[in-house]
Amino acid sequence: GDSVTQMEGPVTLSEEAFLTINCTYTATGYPSLFWYVQYPGEGLQLLLKATKADDKGSNKGFEATYRKETTSFHLEKGSVQVSDSAVYFCALSGFTGNQFYFGTGTSLTVIP
Amino acid sequence: DAGITQSPRHKVTETGTPVTLRCHQTENHRYMYWYRQDPGHGLRLIHYSYGVKDTDKGEVSDGYSVSRSKTEDFLLTLESATSSQTSVYFCAIRGTSGTRITGELFFGEGSRLTVL
Repeated sequence: GDSVTQMEGPVTLSEEAFLTINCTYTATGYPSLFWYVQYPGEGLQLLLKATKADDKGSNKGFEATYRKETTSFHLEKGSVQVSDSAVYFCALSGFTGNQFYFGTGTSLTVIP
Repeated sequence: DAGITQSPRHKVTETGTPVTLRCHQTENHRYMYWYRQDPGHGLRLIHYSYGVKDTDKGEVSDGYSVSRSKTEDFLLTLESATSSQTSVYFCAIRGTSGTRITGELFFGEGSRLTVL
């Protein structure tokens, strides 16, 4: 069945460092891919998405490219800030459309 | 803002008592979901609804029931709460663009349930 595997955390970076959080997926057909962010005490917020191969989603300096050949959707940011400290979830919406599959989340802490 | 309100936001109850969590949405979305979030497990789908009185089970539905008697409300009930149901529960709706259902989910703020 469909599934998402994402990089284990926690990740701790210094401010202005480069961020990569790895995400790979298994799916039949052509899923849509998402990154969500969860700040402490809040619900998940959609960060970015990509709906077909080679699409690049971007938002707030974060980027991820839908790579069908490597079944990956890695999240990147060139220069992280303290305010980026949160838990990040990779997710996919399967071909059948009515189920979502989430990774287990990666906790990011950015220190000044 | 997808107009989702969950209540209660926090609840402490005892084993064996019934608990109902409410999800209310204001934008007439057809698809609604209940997830639970636990450390090490990410989010797991409990039940979802694709219309009034139309619901289906997710991967962790045992011990939970749902009802949707009107479009705006999706209720999650624990008939007899157990300590293993201590969790944070999130309601979500499926995004739409006009009449088209889009891919993303939008989440409520969560309901933290503690079963003693």
